[in-house]
Amino acid sequence: QSALTQPPSASGSPGQSVTISCTGTSSDVGGYNSVSWYQQYPGKAPKLMIYEVSKRPSGVPDRFSGSKSGNTASLTVSGLQAEDEADYYCSSYAGSNNLNVVFGGGTKLTVL
Amino acid sequence: QVQLQESGPGLVKPSETLSLTCAVSGDSISSDYYWGWIRQPPGKGLEWIATIYHSGKTYYNPSLKSRVTISVDTSKNQFSLKLSSVTAADTAVYSCARQMPRGLWAFDYWGQGTLVTVSS
Repeated sequence: QSALTQPPSASGSPGQSVTISCTGTSSDVGGYNSVSWYQQYPGKAPKLMIYEVSKRPSGVPDRFSGSKSGNTASLTVSGLQAEDEADYYCSSYAGSNNLNVVFGGGTKLTVL
Repeated sequence: QVQLQESGPGLVKPSETLSLTCAVSGDSISSDYYWGWIRQPPGKGLEWIATIYHSGKTYYNPSLKSRVTISVDTSKNQFSLKLSSVTAADTAVYSCARQMPRGLWAFDYWGQGTLVTVSS
């Protein structure tokens, strides 16, 4: 059982927007701004899409955005494209006086 | 461009020790970044294992701490993972990654991952 809760699946048609949630507690998502999101294609390494809740690394399209409210973080993909079909994982810092990183169980995003 | 490459045995017997090394290129392991290991059992999600700083400061997943050792070799620009007393539940793709400092903690560069199977 993963520390952070994500829906197992999400879907949308090309051009639409879809939001994936990531629910934790006040000890992880709700307590820190160290929330990140990763995109993973089958058989490939994860790719960092969002860090520090809402910041995008260089090269990540601005169609990807992140936000947080209380103990729940969200990843929104706008203007869905076929290439966005992948697994998405959230992650959060979860340590108080020591580093601890937790992940969500992952969400399979299907572009219809 | 930062690149990370895992190496080590793909098959480990139950009760033995899993040993992996991550070679880093394109960045100095003595930079401001941290360096970590993450694993993913087949068909399942990601699990953080451990993180190290070039000074030797280590951080471990509490659920694995009793069996894990992470170390760094600055002269070779690489870091390593040892997981003892392995069982079939430790079968997974093991990946090394660079981890952002200063409270960000996101993994920004990943190795391709290596599948380690625990079986007799």
